[in-house]
Amino acid sequence: AQKITQTQPGMFVQEKEAVTLDCTYDTSDPSYGLFWYKQPSSGEMIFLIYQGSYDQQNATEGRYSLNFQKARKSANLVISASQLGDSAMYFCAMREGREYGNKLVFGAGTILRVKS
Amino acid sequence: DTAVSQTPKYLVTQMGNDKSIKCEQNLGHDTMYWYKQDSKKFLKIMFSYNNKELIINETVPNRFSPKSPDKAHLNLHINSLELGDSAVYFCASSQTLREQYFGPGTRLTVT
Repeated sequence: AQKITQTQPGMFVQEKEAVTLDCTYDTSDPSYGLFWYKQPSSGEMIFLIYQGSYDQQNATEGRYSLNFQKARKSANLVISASQLGDSAMYFCAMREGREYGNKLVFGAGTILRVKS
Repeated sequence: DTAVSQTPKYLVTQMGNDKSIKCEQNLGHDTMYWYKQDSKKFLKIMFSYNNKELIINETVPNRFSPKSPDKAHLNLHINSLELGDSAVYFCASSQTLREQYFGPGTRLTVT
């Protein structure tokens, strides 16, 4: 079974609008973490935001926020006030408990295109 | 200052050759990783080392051998390269469970 599912292969958003990138996950481990990465066309993997399963509040980092709904097993990334430079591939990833060695399991990614 | 660096950035080689990719991190992290991103952009863990000790070996062919001379370095040696090894290889490092920082990637092309 897929551990991380990103159902949107591609998304378009108008500059300055907000956009939500979906991510659902599957784990029976009570201790886990969810990550979002940005991969621009230049290829590097940029760490955006992290949410731990026991964190009381949804994570925020600047224009990025994570809409964490534990019961629904979803961890959607919200980008506010989109900029042209936000055009990239976005990956959701999950880390399970220590016995899994902190490895990240990635979703298939969502390509975001910001229109001017 | 580059936090996680990899060399080379591009590597083009022929089938059957042996090649190495080097990774260094200056973040003082204890744990380092190798991930492979295939042509469909799918990322998968290959190896993880914690303080020079192998802790994850994710069903990778024996032709791939990681080596960690010290906790700041994790190199990847690949023997008898095959066409299917063509991919982007990312090194990453972490100190806590709440982070994992990636290097710029090495694009390997096997012809």
